[in-house]
Amino acid sequence: QVTLKESGPGILQPSHTLSLTCSFSGFSLSTYGMGVSWIRQPSGKGLEWLASIWWNGNTYNNPSLKSRLTVSKDTSNNQAFLKVTSVDTADTATYYCAHSDHYYYDGTYYYPYYFDYWGQGVMVTVSS
Amino acid sequence: DIQMTQSPSLLSASVGDRVTLSCKASQNIYKYLNWYQQKLGEAPKLLIYYTNSLQTGIPSRFSGSGSGTDYTLTISSLQPEDVATYFCQQYNSWPLTFGSGTKLEIK
Repeated sequence: QVTLKESGPGILQPSHTLSLTCSFSGFSLSTYGMGVSWIRQPSGKGLEWLASIWWNGNTYNNPSLKSRLTVSKDTSNNQAFLKVTSVDTADTATYYCAHSDHYYYDGTYYYPYYFDYWGQGVMVTVSS
Repeated sequence: DIQMTQSPSLLSASVGDRVTLSCKASQNIYKYLNWYQQKLGEAPKLLIYYTNSLQTGIPSRFSGSGSGTDYTLTISSLQPEDVATYFCQQYNSWPLTFGSGTKLEIK
């Protein structure tokens, strides 16, 4: 049974770095085809894909956040991480991590075929 | 970026109605289209992947169709537990993008 759970600081100040952890069970990020993605949702608004990391170490970030995102993994401890630098109030949102066990490969990139399991989400507020 | 436009933004229907939600991509996404259901206070749930494949455990009253730039989620007989916001999502190219959602209510 796949489960994921996000954890984070809850509140942080503008210009600081947001560090989020996704702790998961039921799969390994060292197993072929497995991936974890980060998606966020401001309160009452839509979903924004942020980043994905695959079993082979390939990572993809949303260019709308420029170079502020870093996604990584700790395979031994079944965790994935997201760092967002220089946060401001626009980064206030619920952050989700989500699992993928299938991908679409276009010859260059690995795309998550779907997000089939999601964590419960962690609320992050950026405020001075 | 591929823009995903959902319509309507709000839909009110009666229990038992056949309901159709629309999602239009700004360019051809070759059926790389998923649908998610999000109930209030919960994480999104995968309903349909690759345009028309029903995720395990999802009731058969949900179905998807489409091609090119135009896609549809259909609920054949609306149930009270279907009250939620529905999002489409493309995975044809980076960045992955979601539609802005259709909020479905019971009349």
